[in-house]
Amino acid sequence: DVKVTQSSRYLVKRTGEKVFLECVQDMDHENMFWYRQDPGLGLRLIYFSYDVKMKEKGDIPEGYSVSREKKERFSLILESASTNQTSMYLCASMLAGGLAKNIQYFGAGTRLSVL
Amino acid sequence: SQQGEEDPQALSIQEGENATMNCSYKTSINNLQWYRQNSGRGLVHLILIRSNEREKHSGRLRVTLDTSKKSSSLLITASRAADTASYFCAISPKAGTYKYIFGTGTRLKVLA
Repeated sequence: DVKVTQSSRYLVKRTGEKVFLECVQDMDHENMFWYRQDPGLGLRLIYFSYDVKMKEKGDIPEGYSVSREKKERFSLILESASTNQTSMYLCASMLAGGLAKNIQYFGAGTRLSVL
Repeated sequence: SQQGEEDPQALSIQEGENATMNCSYKTSINNLQWYRQNSGRGLVHLILIRSNEREKHSGRLRVTLDTSKKSSSLLITASRAADTASYFCAISPKAGTYKYIFGTGTRLKVLA
C-alpha cells in the first residue's frame, strides 16, 4: 500500500515564525501536492510538484513556498506564519501516467495553529 | 467557480439505510472521483468514473455520472456506522492536468 507520511499531526506556531511541513511518500510517485482544508471551503491546492525540483502554483500559493529536492519528499514552507494560515494541511501523492493511475493518496494531515 | 458542490451538506441516516449524495460542477470534465475522509484524517480514494462512463460499482458503492446535467451521485447501500465520514467529489477538468477541483463535501452520519 502507498504510504504518505506527514511529519506532524499537530503544530502550534507563533506569528512571524518560519514553518516547515514535511511530507514523504514511499511509492516512487512523480506527483506530489499540498492542500489546505478549511470548513466550508473544501480542499484548495497550494502547490504541486511533478518532478524533483519542479513545482507549479496552485490556487492559493500566496504566503507559501515549496521544496522538492528528492522524489519522495515534498516540503511546504510558510516563510512568515500568519494567523490566517491556521488550517488543516494535507499532502498527497500520485503516480504519473494514464487515467487509471490518477488517484491521489493522502497523508493524515497536519493541523497547524498560528497564534 | 469551477468548484464541485456536494449536496446535501450533511446527512444523517439509520444503519442499514441507503445514503445518496450528489455533486454538481460547472466545467466539462475528464473524470470525476469520490473520496472519503474520516474525522481529522486524510482523504481515501473510493472510486473514479470517466467522462464517457455512466455508472460504476464498487462493493456497496454505486456512482453515476450525467455529463449533460454536469452532476454525479454516490450511493452507499446498506450503510454501516463505519461509513460515518465526509465524502468529497474531485473533478479533473481536462486530460493531462493534475489540478483536481475538490468540492466542499457531504458529512454523513450513520446512526447505529
